[in-house]
This record gives sequence, structure tokens and C-alpha cells, in this order.
Amino acid sequence: DTAVSQTPKYLVTQMGNDKSIKCEQNLGHDTMYWYKQDSKKFLKIMFSYNNKELIINETVPNRFSPKSPDKAHLNLHINSLELGDSAVYFCASSQSLGYTFGSGTRLTVV
Amino acid sequence: GQQLNQSPQSMFIQEGEDVSMNCTSSSIFNTWLWYKQDPGEGPVLLIALYKAGELTSNGRLTAQFGITRKDSFLNISASIPSDVGIYFCAGRNYGGSQGNLIFGKGTKLSVKP
Repeated sequence: DTAVSQTPKYLVTQMGNDKSIKCEQNLGHDTMYWYKQDSKKFLKIMFSYNNKELIINETVPNRFSPKSPDKAHLNLHINSLELGDSAVYFCASSQSLGYTFGSGTRLTVV
Repeated sequence: GQQLNQSPQSMFIQEGEDVSMNCTSSSIFNTWLWYKQDPGEGPVLLIALYKAGELTSNGRLTAQFGITRKDSFLNISASIPSDVGIYFCAGRNYGGSQGNLIFGKGTKLSVKP
């Protein structure tokens, strides 16, 4: 029943590894997003996809690559993980009004 | 880029007290939204505002879209312990196919029973 679901909820990995976070929404929304929340709780947009097409790519290192196989899914792949990538990553979707967020993936790079 | 200044950064209040927080922007927004984030969860939409001057309530919560379109406030009346969390304002300005939602830095609310 979850509207926006992301997996895994927790991810602990070593520096240099490659990892993926998956997101799915069952709301029929056209647009999906990835946000990063740092230790000070600041929410910053990373990517926005509308109907599988990238429309926003903020100043994010190209080690981060989003992939949208269909409009209900937006996955985030991260190469060569660094300590500074540790954060909570939120997926969200919207149609026209407010965004609906997933419950987040806490990524810890050690 | 656009920035939102949200204040206060944190509040520690007694149960039953009223709470007020606000956001100001360096530029105009078409939409103001208020979210609440509980620990270990994503932000959840509380109130959405679409017109300058609009005043909207959701239970004990009341929010207003400032006349200048550069500010918004959220009031919580008669706070209860479950109001604890981080409250975020967010502004949206439609550009292109869909505008970007920009968040304030949050107000952390603690309620003492």
C-alpha cells in the first residue's frame, strides 16, 4: 500500500564500492525526484525525472547516476562511494501539487 | 540560487503552548508548502498554499501565504507531545514543465509534557 517505497532503508558500505538505491511509486505520478538530506537535516534536490526523462540535474558528482526504467521507478546508482556521500537519500514523486516522499535510505560509507 | 530562510531553527516548548514558525524567501514563489518529518521517516505534507494572502487550516495547524509571495508562516495551537518533529517550509516556482521544490532548513520542535 505504500505510496513511495524505497529500498534498502539502511545501507552500510565501504569507500570505493558501488551501490544502488531503488524507488517505486504507485501513485501514477509523472515526476520523480531524489533528494539528499545531510546531517544538519538540510534537504537538497539531486535529480528530477518527468515521464522517464531527466529534467533537473543539480550540481551532483557524475558518480551519481539516476535511471528511470518507467515512470513508476527511479533508481539511484552511486559509483566509487566516498565518506561525504553518507546521508539520508529520499525519493519523492509528484503530479502537480505537493511531493510525496519515501521513508528514506540511510547510507553510511565507512 | 533561490534560498529559504526558516526560523526559528529549534523550539522547546511546554505542552499546550502555541507555536509559530516562518519562512522568507529572496524571490517570489507560486506555491508554499509545509511538511513535517518524524524521526526515521520522510517529510509528510501538512498544508499547501497556492494564492498570495491565502490562510489555510488543518486541525490545529494554520498556515498563510504572504501577500508579497516571499514569505509564509505556520502556527500550531495547543501543542501536544506528538507534534515533536522537524517542520520544513518549501517553496515552488513553476518553470519549464515543472518547478523545483526548494526547502527551508527546518524548525526542530520539542514538546515537554
